[in-house]
Amino acid sequence: EIVLTQSPGTLSLSPGERATLSCRASQSVSDNYLAWYQQKPGQAPRLLISVASSRATGIPDRFSGSGSGTDFTLSISRLEPEDFAVYYCQQYGSSPRTFGQGTRLEIK
Amino acid sequence: QVQLQESGPGLVKPSETLSLTCTVSGASVGRYYWNWIRQTPGKGLEWIGYVYNSGSTNYNPSLRGRVTFSVDTSRNQFSLKLTSVTAADTAVYYCASSLFGYFDPWGRGTAVTVSS
Repeated sequence: EIVLTQSPGTLSLSPGERATLSCRASQSVSDNYLAWYQQKPGQAPRLLISVASSRATGIPDRFSGSGSGTDFTLSISRLEPEDFAVYYCQQYGSSPRTFGQGTRLEIK
Repeated sequence: QVQLQESGPGLVKPSETLSLTCTVSGASVGRYYWNWIRQTPGKGLEWIGYVYNSGSTNYNPSLRGRVTFSVDTSRNQFSLKLTSVTAADTAVYYCASSLFGYFDPWGRGTAVTVSS
């Protein structure tokens, strides 16, 4: 089973700043099959990024994903108030599918 | 546009069977991959498994032996049964589609509490 470790656990930033979230895998993620999700309180996670860097339909271009192998990054270029939420990475290159423990992005 | 909606009892007694149903609109359950995922404050998001082609399954080894998926093409639904539940199975349960492996879209989720 691939273990995904996200860092930091909590990130405190102000609107307009840039956010950088990390996801590290315990072994290489096949074909870079790594997704990122955003979750707000009381809602289901929402897909942001697939295949490490491909934005899902309707996701603003301030969200970008990068990385390969075992190290992946989600960047948010200019934080909007609605971006403060919890973010999860997930690998789907092997079974069982696994998620990171999440990074909470909070307003400073 | 594919939409999913979970349904089922919100309270289950310990040692009993948890049964949930996901109703799909906008796509046929006879195609694609249909997943169950749960979320707890302690363990976070946990993939339970998927069903595809109206009956082939892949379960998370952590739950194998207790979980069973099924598909009802006449109602365009798929279902989860989890046996011998304990308090550790208390969670929000989501259904989700995964045509390419990532989960999109998701249902809104349904909270299940295991308690006597």
